[in-house]
Formats: sequence, C-alpha cells, structure tokens
Amino acid sequence: GQQLNQSPQSMFIQEGEDVSMNCTSSSIFNTWLWYKQDPGEGPVLLIALYKAGELTSNGRLTAQFGITRKDSFLNISASIPSDVGIYFCAGLRWDSNYQLIWGAGTKLIIKP
Amino acid sequence: EPEVTQTPSHQVTQMGQEVILRCVPISNHLYFYWYRQILGQKVEFLVSFYNNEISEKSEIFDDQFSVERPDGSNFTLKIRSTKLEDSAMYFCASTVRTGSEQFFGPGTRLTVL
Repeated sequence: GQQLNQSPQSMFIQEGEDVSMNCTSSSIFNTWLWYKQDPGEGPVLLIALYKAGELTSNGRLTAQFGITRKDSFLNISASIPSDVGIYFCAGLRWDSNYQLIWGAGTKLIIKP
Repeated sequence: EPEVTQTPSHQVTQMGQEVILRCVPISNHLYFYWYRQILGQKVEFLVSFYNNEISEKSEIFDDQFSVERPDGSNFTLKIRSTKLEDSAMYFCASTVRTGSEQFFGPGTRLTVL
C-alpha cells in the first residue's frame, strides 16, 4: 500500500530555534497537507499544498510540495512553547482521492 | 468559523455493546470521512461517504461498522458489537470536494472494557 515516511520521529529543540521535518514517498501525491495534533484533540490543518513546487507560508510555518510530487517539508521558524505537539503530513492521490494517507508524525518538544 | 463537531467526546462501553458516534460536518461540505487513531499511532482511514453512500472503505471497516447520514446535518458511525481493539480516538472529517483539504472534528475517545 501507499506509505508516507515522515522524519524525524521526534525533535528536542530550544525555544527560538528553527524546525524542519519532511515526508517522502515512493508514490506521487496530488495534494499534501500538514496537520498539528495536540494531545486528546483532533488534527488541525496548518497548510495545504496542491501544486508541485508550491511553497506556502502560514505565519511562522512554511511548507513546500516537492517537484517530484513524492515529498514535502514543513519548516517552523523561531519556535515558541505553543508549537509543542505532533505534526503529521498527509497526502491525497487522484486515483485514491477519498482517503488521506498519513505519516507517522513528528513529535516536537521544546526544551525549557 | 465553521467547524466539524463530534459527540460524545468520550464513550465507555462494554465489549459486545453497540455504539454510535455522531458528527456534524461543516454545513456546505459534501464529502465525509471517519478515521481512527489508536493511542500513540498514526491516523487510519476507515470510510468515506458521498451522496448518501459509501465511496471507499478500508480493511478496518468490516461488517461490524456502518455509517449513516440520517438527516441533513448528522453523520454517524455505528459499531455493532464492540471489541477491545476498537478502543481508539475516532475522528470525523469533511471536505467541500475531493482532493481538497479535510477538516477534522475534535474526536470521540472510545474505550471498550
């Protein structure tokens, strides 16, 4: 089946540092989505990407849809305590466009 | 801002009992989904629903599961005879069209004892 490989699995960073995480796949995706999930809550959409090469920002967050359509990255600049949580990438394919394929998540922990 | 809502937030049930999880998708959305997330694991697709019928379902969505849109606003997931391994967070999502971003509800935590 289709798999998304998300890395890193977890990150320990200092407040103010920049963060980078990515997802890769052997399959082409037509839509890439990045979500954040806080404990006990539902995923909240951060950024949606629809075109290969697309670079989109949402405040301190920037995400890119890879040119090959097989990868995407998410950057967070100048991290703050409320950035703590689990970040998931998810992809959609036109030939399987009714379901999101999810990465395993990147857990962001900010050292005090 | 419109959002997906889900009730209850937490459901505790005995093994073998039936449960119904409820969702109210965003009002102008046409495509509806159920996902589940076992504690500490990734989100897994269960089923998608459009035009009052199932569009696609995963291997997890066996005969014990069913979905329904009983009126113009609610979207329900029924588990007929719950098993211990059904314990998970269940998320409802909706989108205005396929290929577009899906918006998630806050989830229902199902605990099967």
